[in-house]
Amino acid sequence: GESVGLHLPTLSVQEGDNSIINCAYSNSASDYFIWYKQESGKGPQFIIDIRSNMDKRQGQRVTVLLNKTVKHLSLQIAATQPGDSAVYFCAENSKAGTALIFGKGTTLSVSS
Amino acid sequence: ETGVTQTPRHLVMGMTNKKSLKCEQHLGHNAMYWYKQSAKKPLELMFVYNFKEQTENNSVPSRFSPECPNSSHLFLHLHTLQPEDSALYLCASSQFTASGGGLNYEQYFGPGTRLTVT
Repeated sequence: GESVGLHLPTLSVQEGDNSIINCAYSNSASDYFIWYKQESGKGPQFIIDIRSNMDKRQGQRVTVLLNKTVKHLSLQIAATQPGDSAVYFCAENSKAGTALIFGKGTTLSVSS
Repeated sequence: ETGVTQTPRHLVMGMTNKKSLKCEQHLGHNAMYWYKQSAKKPLELMFVYNFKEQTENNSVPSRFSPECPNSSHLFLHLHTLQPEDSALYLCASSQFTASGGGLNYEQYFGPGTRLTVT
């Protein structure tokens, strides 16, 4: 699979490859993190979340990894499909009682 | 369908117009949000309402005026906007809990209103 360094705005992969999208968060006190997917013409859609007491969480074809030492979050998509093409955002809840703080998105393009 | 609807989906308005964006959530949530999404920028939080009370206003210009008459409806009233206000305006809702981490639940987003100010 193809991986990227911290926040590249675009990622292009072949269908069937594994994709890794990275995100650096800002606040070491953040205790909740979430990944969203946004397709063209739609609002962001929840993919997976993770709390700071975990370092890995798996969903269907997706895995989120949290490295609190370097304040790094990643989203791994297994066997990427054309329907995975979208913009992916990470977000953190940096203060209790406030809304999510979103990072810059990464546009994932999947070619057949 | 996420359970959050927004109307209109597209809006073109002049700088002297007054218009309103509407959001409705059918999820029984008690927190609602307005975000602005501009090209090549992260989502910008504008307003947060918990239990119909505004709890955050992220230095938003007064030409944007939110209204939350009940926990299911949220409006954004617009007047004398500028061309740089053209963007996608997203509404979201979540279930707020007063214990522990606060707004630590996923937010459900509507499809957005694409606003163009001419």
